[in-house]
Amino acid sequence: AQKVTQAQTEISVVEKEDVTLDCVYETRDTTYYLFWYKQPPSGELVFLIRRNSFDEQNEISGRYSWNFQKSTSSFNFTITASQVVDSAVYFCALGHSSSNTGKLIFGQGTTLQVKP
Amino acid sequence: DAGVIQSPRHEVTEMGQEVTLRCKPISGHNSLFWYRQTMMRGLELLIYFNNNVPIDDSGMPEDRFSAKMPNASFSTLKIQPSEPRDSAVYFCASSRTSGDPDTQYFGPGTRLTVL
Repeated sequence: AQKVTQAQTEISVVEKEDVTLDCVYETRDTTYYLFWYKQPPSGELVFLIRRNSFDEQNEISGRYSWNFQKSTSSFNFTITASQVVDSAVYFCALGHSSSNTGKLIFGQGTTLQVKP
Repeated sequence: DAGVIQSPRHEVTEMGQEVTLRCKPISGHNSLFWYRQTMMRGLELLIYFNNNVPIDDSGMPEDRFSAKMPNASFSTLKIQPSEPRDSAVYFCASSRTSGDPDTQYFGPGTRLTVL
């Protein structure tokens, strides 16, 4: 079965706190891709990152960082020193090379609220 | 470079009317996806096309929904007749697929309200 689970439905933090959004995936494929998207209150879905299953190096982009651990099938997303503008729904997604179509499986999303 | 373009951005219609949503994917992208987002069901994949051919329409709710992609730069999602439960935000996304799943880029969405 191919599945993405974002167990945290809603998270609320105060500005400047660090916050981690969890993503756990299930797949039998050895080659796959993981994604994170952000959906701010304005509604559009914004691409954040794409990682393949052979690259387990953590990635950092400004205040954003991603921790990919194949051993636990997790691809967690951390925002350091959160800001009000980080308030959004965040989606994790999984894609397989074997599908040869680009189809992605999305998690249910985590709503992050950053309070001033 | 223009992103995915969707029209209209907002649509309000009455139950029973036909609704047509339009999408222009990013030039050079060969995969196109239609999603529906509601509070209750989250983000659902309705149908996707690869090289203008529908690959999987198992997510289409029922026969009232149909989608076409007559060429590489245009797709439509039609609901006929529309019902209040079809009220949702409909997203179109495109990607460049050549074996490995590439990033899907989403349009701004069409917010559909069926009265």
